[in-house]
Amino acid sequence: GAGVSQSPSNKVTEKGKDVELRCDPISGHTALYWYRQSLGQGLEFLIYFQGNSAPDKSGLPSDRFSAERTGGSVSTLTIQRTQQEDSAVYLCASSAVGTGASIFYGYTFGSGTRLTVV
Amino acid sequence: AQKITQTQPGMFVQEKEAVTLDCTYDTSDQSYGLFWYKQPSSGEMIFLIYQGSYDEQNATEGRYSLNFQKARKSANLVISASQLGDSAMYFCAMRMNSGYSTLTFGKGTMLLVSP
Repeated sequence: GAGVSQSPSNKVTEKGKDVELRCDPISGHTALYWYRQSLGQGLEFLIYFQGNSAPDKSGLPSDRFSAERTGGSVSTLTIQRTQQEDSAVYLCASSAVGTGASIFYGYTFGSGTRLTVV
Repeated sequence: AQKITQTQPGMFVQEKEAVTLDCTYDTSDQSYGLFWYKQPSSGEMIFLIYQGSYDEQNATEGRYSLNFQKARKSANLVISASQLGDSAMYFCAMRMNSGYSTLTFGKGTMLLVSP
């Protein structure tokens, strides 16, 4: 697609429920990243995919968080047993390549999914 | 591990004036890139400007320039001739040129441009 697409744009869920957030990167972008932005805060790195594998998932805050990517394209971030502190905007980004040699390749971000846990 | 520090939570500037947003970074790597992003109230992250650690000239992109002082580990963003549409959050970010690297962001600076 022309840009990074995220769905849903807004999600309100009850505490304890599971949620799935979807990211559709720019076609041909091999690298995909998930970030979390809490109200008034900077971006917190969650996980990075190169193709379908995740070389860096050090930012996932707990084992309630998981992510997968299939076909080198769409990625899904799943949060199980949601808690109120999970409320945030979840941003997805993609870039043409992810390895160090291509350092200039900045990220293209999606518009995010605003998750509210009530 | 790398770290980005933006010490200005908020900045005010009048339209048509220039403003500098501060960014310092900490890394032991010699090869890295520095980025600035703009996030308006609509929420999207907009890439503004990039500076490579080995670039000798300061990067410029239209009204944006990056004041890169490698010895001081600072990468300040200068916006010339501010416009009302420049009101937004601005994030400084860094990425290493080694292995699988990801962008590390600062906490951001909120810029408000007044008429």
